[in-house]
Amino acid sequence: NAGVTQTPKFRILKIGQSMTLQCTQDMNHNYMYWYRQDPGMGLKLIYYSVGAGITDKGEVPNGYNVSRSTTEDFPLRLELAAPSQTSVYFCASRLQQGASYGYTFGSGTRLTVV
Amino acid sequence: AQSVTQPDIHITVSEGASLELRCNYSYGATPYLFWYVQSPGQGLQLLLKYFSGDTLVQGIKGFEAEFKRSQSSFNLRKPSVHWSDAAEYFCAVGAVRTGDMRFGAGTRLTVKP
Repeated sequence: NAGVTQTPKFRILKIGQSMTLQCTQDMNHNYMYWYRQDPGMGLKLIYYSVGAGITDKGEVPNGYNVSRSTTEDFPLRLELAAPSQTSVYFCASRLQQGASYGYTFGSGTRLTVV
Repeated sequence: AQSVTQPDIHITVSEGASLELRCNYSYGATPYLFWYVQSPGQGLQLLLKYFSGDTLVQGIKGFEAEFKRSQSSFNLRKPSVHWSDAAEYFCAVGAVRTGDMRFGAGTRLTVKP
């Protein structure tokens, strides 16, 4: 049971390039999330999904897009990378509605935009 | 929306000393509360969680936390810190209905030999 798998672990992008951060979970979790983590800022929610075909914006969605075509996968797309998107990105998932089940986190993707 | 404040950005304790990390939350009802730990280069690992009932909850690695409704607090404690506890600790509050979680900014723990 792999849990939540994120790829790549590290990436350097040039300004204006695009890329997709991959997130896959094998726990049949309905809810999936993308967070970014910046020093001293904790985790900020970018986008989330409550099930296949359903996505919604979080606190900091600008510059990002997501899709959820299957229960397992929740990729995060950066179309025109900017230095402000340099961050560590975490994908998370949980099973049930309601917060009684804590999140399962991936190990993160460290992205640098230069 | 719910919010979390962790007043201490960085704490240093000696190995074997006791530890308390502070967490204050804002939420309109009884929240779901969590503590996560993040080791360098790793994702977040759940330490413990509070939903209801006994206000003192036990977690993994010898940690415990106490929910105090009157103070809107959920402080994390450990009686004797080990060098391996050096990490960043995040408090989080989950909305009961939606489960959406908000995280504090984190407290970085350094353990002196």
